Amino acid sequence: DSGVTQTPKHLITATGQRVTLRCSPRSGDLSVYWYQQSLDQGLQFLIQYYNGEERAKGNILERFSAQQFPDLHSELNLSSLELGDSALYFCASSALGLAGGPPDTQYFGPGTRLTVL
Amino acid sequence: GIQVEQSPPDLILQEGANSTLRCNFSDSVNNLQWFHQNPWGQLINLFYIPSGTKQNGRLSATTVATERYSLLYISSSQTTDSGVYFCAVPQGGSEKLVFGKGTKLTVNP
Repeated sequence: DSGVTQTPKHLITATGQRVTLRCSPRSGDLSVYWYQQSLDQGLQFLIQYYNGEERAKGNILERFSAQQFPDLHSELNLSSLELGDSALYFCASSALGLAGGPPDTQYFGPGTRLTVL
Repeated sequence: GIQVEQSPPDLILQEGANSTLRCNFSDSVNNLQWFHQNPWGQLINLFYIPSGTKQNGRLSATTVATERYSLLYISSSQTTDSGVYFCAVPQGGSEKLVFGKGTKLTVNP
């Protein structure tokens, strides 16, 4: 158990719908990351939040958005869903690293498997 | 951006055999992680190894940062070792991880 929790485990929805995925980081971790794993694209970084602020963005579609709340949990919102959005969505968290030092270990949650029909 | 290549893409072993998985990366890095994705989809941390060698039971890893590669050794493999092994490195001084395509390991009884 990594200490990162994600809900729900599975989500089945229809095209055009909107869903929200939730992540709680490990106790004390300030950074939250979202990754998408699809069959054709592999594991790809989407977005990072650090202590409530967006810190880095990857290949995240405009239909997707995220936020990190004061209690440090994060939500990933996916809207106008398409068949191609079906994937495993992972949340990861890491501790505050030393300024200028190497990135800390990222610990991954169990993932949310999204199926868009 | 940084490129990560893993080899071999697939590996089939008999229980008890040893194996070596390789990860090459195209630029210098200050962090490298190895993960095991089990058949249920969970990504399990194996090693955080920017350089040097680490061991954890039957698994060990070595990263030679100057030559831009890392190796994961699995000894006396067990059926529970089956799954996909990923290495990941941070993109250009950031914390966002770039993953290789993985090595799919099947250990037969």
